[in-house]
Amino acid sequence: DIQMTQSPSSLSASVGDRVTITCRASQSIRTDLNWYQQKPGKAPKLLIYAASSLQSGVPSRFSGSGSGTDFTLTISSLQPEDFATYFCQQSYSTLPYTFGQGTKLEIK
Amino acid sequence: EVQLVQSGAEVKEPGESLKISCKGSGYSFNTYWIGWVRQMPGKGLEWMGIIYPGDSDTRYSPSFQGHVTISADKSINIAYLQWSSLKASDTAMYYCARQVEGPNTSFDYWGQGTLVTVSS
Repeated sequence: DIQMTQSPSSLSASVGDRVTITCRASQSIRTDLNWYQQKPGKAPKLLIYAASSLQSGVPSRFSGSGSGTDFTLTISSLQPEDFATYFCQQSYSTLPYTFGQGTKLEIK
Repeated sequence: EVQLVQSGAEVKEPGESLKISCKGSGYSFNTYWIGWVRQMPGKGLEWMGIIYPGDSDTRYSPSFQGHVTISADKSINIAYLQWSSLKASDTAMYYCARQVEGPNTSFDYWGQGTLVTVSS
């Protein structure tokens, strides 16, 4: 299986901050990388697919970049509703399409 | 509107069997893969497997192969996840999700989750 490693595991930030979460794959996955947001008690929500494409309806303060093995999710100006846990997922050719362990974004 | 609606929470004893469901609506159910994702209490997301309802082609993660069975009934737009003999370690939230294919392969719509509790 392809291993996905996110950093940091948790992060404290304030409203208005710029935040970056990273995700590293154990082998090259081209740009086959997705980002999800999960709030407590809710199902995950797709934010970014194909490393940098914004899912319909997702605010433009969210952006993704990277290719190969290293990827980032950036929130340009944190809003109160952005405090959640974020997961990356690889969707490269080989199943299973593994997830990272998650990054919990908390209010400072 | 695309919707995936999962069956309700279950409380079972070890050794019991269980089948939970995921009903799709608002799209062509037969032409999208449906995946199942486990989330153990306080933990991350684990990709379990996927099924293509149109022909029941099913793929499993090696971690779950042999422990669960994924199936679908395309006539009623429902996918299933089942266990023949539950263990306490199966206690988790289980999500179904629609997988969109192509350069943007991802889970674009999710069910609300089914909480399975296994305890004696």
